[in-house]
Amino acid sequence: AQSVTQLGSHVSVSEGALVLLRCNYSSSVPPYLFWYVQYPNQGLQLLLKYTSAATLVKGINGFEAEFKKSETSFHLTKPSAHMSDAAEYFCAVSEYTGANSKLTFGKGITLSVRP
Amino acid sequence: DSGVTQTPKHLITATGQRVTLRCSPRSGDLSVYWYQQSLDQGLQFLIQYYNGEERAKGNILERFSAQQFPDLHSELNLSSLELGDSALYFCASSPDTEAFFGQGTRLTVV
Repeated sequence: AQSVTQLGSHVSVSEGALVLLRCNYSSSVPPYLFWYVQYPNQGLQLLLKYTSAATLVKGINGFEAEFKKSETSFHLTKPSAHMSDAAEYFCAVSEYTGANSKLTFGKGITLSVRP
Repeated sequence: DSGVTQTPKHLITATGQRVTLRCSPRSGDLSVYWYQQSLDQGLQFLIQYYNGEERAKGNILERFSAQQFPDLHSELNLSSLELGDSALYFCASSPDTEAFFGQGTRLTVV
């Protein structure tokens, strides 16, 4: 069965610092991997997705993530944090497509950005 | 705007009552997911439909039910409501793998 682990529930960085949010997955087949962002009182928004093309995936708002099969990881990074990045971030995995696709989400990480 | 529409945005109701949450997926998306998000439980997967058929069930209570209609819109029915059912309920639709979320319905049970 597929699963996602996001260690820690809260990350705090200074504005301009590197953002690193960790995600490890478990999957019995080559996975599809996603990062979503949720701002207060809003729905989840897709940041980026990995679908077995390039291992380094670029997303919106300057975020990127690297798929590392050997480490079963898909960590999210951004070189320089901005105040507007403060939000909750969810990693998700799906093993199949179409009718059999089912997204499994991690517990989420709250990112705080200090001035 | 994700293209997924949920109504109503807010709902306040009393314990023991029944409510229906509605979701219109993005045009062409056959999959619809329902999630519950609360402070203590986080984001919980409830149920998934694909082209009118139930495909997967998560932590959905027996008091809750859902369906997807021929026009692909979906409804989540919550009955015998309890205070603990107060939460944000999200619908998401998917064309294949990734999901696009609506803005949610905030349910408050008093």
